Amino acid sequence: DQQVKQNSPSLSVQEGRISILNCDYTNSMFDYFLWYKKYPAEGPTFLISISSIKDKNEDGRFTVFLNKSAKHLSLHIVPSQPGDSAVYFCAASVYGGSQGNLIFGKGTKLSVKP
Amino acid sequence: DAMVIQNPRYQVTQFGKPVTLSCSQTLNHNVMYWYQQKSSQAPKLLFHYYDKDFNNEADTPDNFQSRRPNTSFCFLDIRSPGLGDAAMYLCATSVTVTTYEQYFGPGTRLTVT
Repeated sequence: DQQVKQNSPSLSVQEGRISILNCDYTNSMFDYFLWYKKYPAEGPTFLISISSIKDKNEDGRFTVFLNKSAKHLSLHIVPSQPGDSAVYFCAASVYGGSQGNLIFGKGTKLSVKP
Repeated sequence: DAMVIQNPRYQVTQFGKPVTLSCSQTLNHNVMYWYQQKSSQAPKLLFHYYDKDFNNEADTPDNFQSRRPNTSFCFLDIRSPGLGDAAMYLCATSVTVTTYEQYFGPGTRLTVT
């Protein structure tokens, strides 16, 4: 059973608008969440993260929101740029759990149209 | 630039013929991971090394083995590849096991004929 779910396989957004990528999780023991971005022919690269003690973390154009009661997190990209077009993976981890184990979602392919 | 390197980028092997994928890192990280990612699926952790300590995920098939001869290199050995083992194999590193951020290589795409 998938513990981390990204229910939208793809998302298309106009340049300059907001992109919102969603992620749901089922394991209430997860206490740290990360977003990775992946371009074709490259490995995933770390984008932004959030600890369960926070509900928001911001880094430039990227903001991650965490709603623990709903077991939901989202990544907001404002404004979206064509270079943001990539696959975005949500990942979760349990501190002190299976060491080093990141549980990934299946990814959402974002296309930002000029 | 410090990085994670995977060779080869593309590997074709025959059904049942052993194959080895390699990963090297210049980050001097203590932990190295191997993930399997099948088409349109989430990357799935196979195992990881914390220094020389090997940690196997419970559901990783016995067909998959790993070696880490030194800090910089880690190998994934598939003893008898089946058609179901065709996938992208991603190597990653992190400073320690309590460091959540992992740094990924570009992956090796394995085809089994």
